[in-house]
Amino acid sequence: AQSVTQPDIHITVSEGASLELRCNYSYGATPYLFWYVQSPGQGLQLLLKYFSGDTLVQGIKGFEAEFKRSQSSFNLRKPSVHWSDAAEYFCAVGAGGTSYGKLTFGQGTILTVHP
Amino acid sequence: DSGVTQTPKHLITATGQRVTLRCSPRSGDLSVYWYQQSLDQGLQFLIQYYNGEERAKGNILERFSAQQFPDLHSELNLSSLELGDSALYFCASSTTSGLHNEQFFGPGTRLTVL
Repeated sequence: AQSVTQPDIHITVSEGASLELRCNYSYGATPYLFWYVQSPGQGLQLLLKYFSGDTLVQGIKGFEAEFKRSQSSFNLRKPSVHWSDAAEYFCAVGAGGTSYGKLTFGQGTILTVHP
Repeated sequence: DSGVTQTPKHLITATGQRVTLRCSPRSGDLSVYWYQQSLDQGLQFLIQYYNGEERAKGNILERFSAQQFPDLHSELNLSSLELGDSALYFCASSTTSGLHNEQFFGPGTRLTVL
């Protein structure tokens, strides 16, 4: 069965600083990987996804993530954090391919941004 | 606004009761997913429907059931409620069934069981 680990429960950064959120996955086949963001009182919004091809994927809001098969990781990065990036971030691995769409989420990382 | 609507936004009920959560997918989306988010279990996949048929099942309790109607809206029924069922229940929708299609999440229904 697939699983996702986000080692950091809470991260605090200063506005303008760089950000890296860690994600490690366990999945037997080629993974479908996702990063979602959840703002308080909101649903989840997809930031980016990886299915195949280029291991560095670009997403919305200036985020990017790099897939490293050898490390079973899919870390999320942003070069300069804005106060509006404060939210909870979820990494997810998908099972089902083109047949169905079950997502398994990590426990989430809460990002606090100091001015 | 993702285009996915969920009603009600909040629901407070007592143990042993039964409730129904409703989800309207984005226009044109055939697939609906239900997820439960709780403090102790995190965000968990419950069930997926595609064009009225069950497509995938997660750790959904036997006390819970769901269905997707011909107009594609979906309902999640929770019965014999327990304190531990208190959670945020999300519905998501996508155009077709597979992972290549983005799942758009609704704002959720917060269920409190007293």
